[in-house]
Amino acid sequence: DTAVSQTPKYLVTQMGNDKSIKCEQNLGHDTMYWYKQDSKKFLKIMFSYNNKELIINETVPNRFSPKSPDKAHLNLHINSLELGDSAVYFCASSQGGEEGYTFGSGTRLTVV
Amino acid sequence: SQQGEEDPQALSIQEGENATMNCSYKTSINNLQWYRQNSGRGLVHLILIRSNEREKHSGRLRVTLDTSKKSSSLLITASRAADTASYFCATLNTGGFKTIFGAGTRLFVKA
Repeated sequence: DTAVSQTPKYLVTQMGNDKSIKCEQNLGHDTMYWYKQDSKKFLKIMFSYNNKELIINETVPNRFSPKSPDKAHLNLHINSLELGDSAVYFCASSQGGEEGYTFGSGTRLTVV
Repeated sequence: SQQGEEDPQALSIQEGENATMNCSYKTSINNLQWYRQNSGRGLVHLILIRSNEREKHSGRLRVTLDTSKKSSSLLITASRAADTASYFCATLNTGGFKTIFGAGTRLFVKA
């Protein structure tokens, strides 16, 4: 019954690898987001999709590519992983972007 | 750039006491939201207050918004050990699509 689910929960990988994180929401929301939380707990928005259309693309390296096959899914693919990519990545969804967000439980990415 | 900034960065209180956290922001907003994050978990939405509202309550939570001072406060009354968490304010700018989060206040409630 999880509202926003992310997989995997933990991801440990070597520098230079390519990895994907998947996110699905069953709330019927039309907007989904990816946020990055660094070691100091600061949350920074990366991307947002509204009904499969990209509406926010912050200054994120183009090694990060989001994909939204439908409005219930927003995946994040990362190419050529670097040490600085280590963080917790959160997926979230909302209805219309002007209501509260529902967050997933996060994916802790560690690049070694 | 960071929009909301919480104050204090950390707060330690005894169970039963009230906890007050403040948030300041810089631009005009559509709404302001407060979230809680337990260690190792995702954020949980607590309360949303719109720019035309001044106060909102939800259970033991009370949120105020002063748009003239560009600030908000979150009051947790009769705190419990289970309230120990990080609390974030987040703002949706007027005409914007994204909600920007502050760095959070870490609340420790001692039993």
